Amino acid sequence: GQNIDQPTEMTATEGAIVQINCTYQTSGFNGLFWYQQHAGEAPTFLSYNVLDGLEEKGRFSSFLSRSKGYSYLLLKELQMKDSASYLCAVNVDAGKSTFGDGTTLTVKP
Amino acid sequence: DTGVSQDPRHKITKRGQNVTFRCDPISEHNRLYWYRQTLGQGPEFLTYFQNEAQLEKSRLLSDRFSAERPKGSFSTLEIQRTEQGDSAMYLCASSLHGTSGSDEQFFGPGTRLTVL
Repeated sequence: GQNIDQPTEMTATEGAIVQINCTYQTSGFNGLFWYQQHAGEAPTFLSYNVLDGLEEKGRFSSFLSRSKGYSYLLLKELQMKDSASYLCAVNVDAGKSTFGDGTTLTVKP
Repeated sequence: DTGVSQDPRHKITKRGQNVTFRCDPISEHNRLYWYRQTLGQGPEFLTYFQNEAQLEKSRLLSDRFSAERPKGSFSTLEIQRTEQGDSAMYLCASSLHGTSGSDEQFFGPGTRLTVL
């Protein structure tokens, strides 16, 4: 089966840095995605990693270690609008992605 | 708006009724996915198409669920004899699958189904 683990909830302060971890055990691996989902809305794409290392995109960075089955999403200079659920998803074959249950991030002033 | 669209956005039905949802993907995307999401959970894969071919269907999906993409463009998801446990948000996503790229999926706004 497929198993993707992320913390259920995290809290951080506006302007700070937060790291959201994701570990996975899947039958296949064709890349790992991070999505942001605000309450009542659809997920929106944040990042994609297929090779080991760090991918940086503005205030957001994502890291992957395939040998460890581990990824993290790093959010810098947190803003109130970053309060949302962050979903880790593994593309387990050429098409299907398996999602974690998401980490609900609350940013406080 | 050239994003993924879904219709209806909300559907309330009585147990035992049939419902059908529609998804219009981004026009140049060849792959289309259906997911189901309940509160506090991540999206759960239901099925996906490449052009008009249905390539995979989740084993979790009962025979009451069927999906089509007859012309390789829009898709429909039908649920027959709805049950209260079918109440969820049904998400559609599309992607451009090719020799390169990430298969990044673009999601529609979802159809929220409530079965009374």
